[in-house]
Amino acid sequence: KNQVEQSPQSLIILEGKNCTLQCNYTVSPFSNLRWYKQDTGRGPVSLTIMTFSENTKSNGRYTATLDADTKQSSLHITASQLSDSASYICVVRLNYDMRFGAGTRLTVKP
Amino acid sequence: DSGVTQTPKHLITATGQRVTLRCSPRSGDLSVYWYQQSLDQGLQFLIQYYNGEERAKGNILERFSAQQFPDLHSELNLSSLELGDSALYFCASSNRDSGYNEQFFGPGTRLTVL
Repeated sequence: KNQVEQSPQSLIILEGKNCTLQCNYTVSPFSNLRWYKQDTGRGPVSLTIMTFSENTKSNGRYTATLDADTKQSSLHITASQLSDSASYICVVRLNYDMRFGAGTRLTVKP
Repeated sequence: DSGVTQTPKHLITATGQRVTLRCSPRSGDLSVYWYQQSLDQGLQFLIQYYNGEERAKGNILERFSAQQFPDLHSELNLSSLELGDSALYFCASSNRDSGYNEQFFGPGTRLTVL
């Protein structure tokens, strides 16, 4: 069983709408949790990074939250744009190792 | 453009062969990470080097090896290739060893093993 589970697997929304992506993890303790955006065929780009003591981190229209008690993180995208269409990957970093979620494939339609 | 370069962009080879993937980190970055991304397994961390020394190992097979040279570029060697090694291989760099530092990913090398 993957130690980092993401849901939903895929999501289609209309341009301008908001959405929330989920990440549940079992690895503990961890150093930090990151959200990446990956366009098809390209390298991931970091959106946010949080330590276990942080609850929320924003980057423009992207806001990540972390609940260390329930071992859940979410990524909220506000006022979606066509360019938000990509895979979003949750990564939990241990000391010198990393656990990756399988990603959520987001499609934003006009 | 992240500033991380990877060559070649595409590589097609046969089973049993050996290939070398190359990565040049961003100027000033001392840490280099290698990742494998296949369709069925997602992104997997392979190995990290910091200033020429191996720092961490993930799910790297014994058939794979890497090194970081004095000029900080890194190479990932894949030998006795199997069909299942077909994947995108990404290199990332960061300026320190700390896990908190942002990693910048290169464009990747797409390896196809026939």
